[in-house]
Amino acid sequence: EAGVTQSPTHLIKTRGQQATLRCSPISGHTSVYWYQQALGLGLQFLLWYDEGEERNRGNFPPRFSGRQFPNYSSELNVNALELEDSALYLCASSDGRTGLFNEKLFFGSGTQLSVL
Amino acid sequence: AQTVTQSQPEMSVQEAETVTLSCTYDTSESNYYLFWYKQPPSRQMILVIRQEAYKQQNATENRFSVNFQKAAKSFSLKISDSQLGDTAMYFCAFMKFGSDDKIIFGKGTRLHILP
Repeated sequence: EAGVTQSPTHLIKTRGQQATLRCSPISGHTSVYWYQQALGLGLQFLLWYDEGEERNRGNFPPRFSGRQFPNYSSELNVNALELEDSALYLCASSDGRTGLFNEKLFFGSGTQLSVL
Repeated sequence: AQTVTQSQPEMSVQEAETVTLSCTYDTSESNYYLFWYKQPPSRQMILVIRQEAYKQQNATENRFSVNFQKAAKSFSLKISDSQLGDTAMYFCAFMKFGSDDKIIFGKGTRLHILP
């Protein structure tokens, strides 16, 4: 069974540009979570999508946005990139049907975003 | 708001030794889950062990066990007979019981297992 896949693996952008990160959850999983892992800060919760809807959002500015498609894959968009957006962006999925949406998260290997 | 604190940024132990990673958390909730996740150099986060707050018995998964002290809000991870493959970043995490919340992570402890 394929795990959570993220693309691209690495992404290099310059300040002010836009970045699009993609995530495909495990087959059958309906929930997708995005986390930002900046150096020394651990994982910061960004966004949670389930069944195509945004369910929860972390303390990030509106230029961080995303969506979930009918096949449950997801995109994270970061507009007007700033230097401090440089981080590893992790996507995770879970089976929302368990009743505890993120009782067990399965993570991808992340997209390393570098903003120059 | 819930917080998770890992006071050991980095640790090193010899192979085959036992090591304990510390984690404390702050919450006013009575029902919640606690987790330890491992992030090896491959960057993929792997669930190591999970503890439900309503269970008094400490969770165990092979060489990994936890010491859950609910009153003290402490949740340490013990790795017995450590192996080179245990070298990784370890994150303690908290999740409030319920369907509308997310997992909150600590800043991590980088563990080096030395040959």
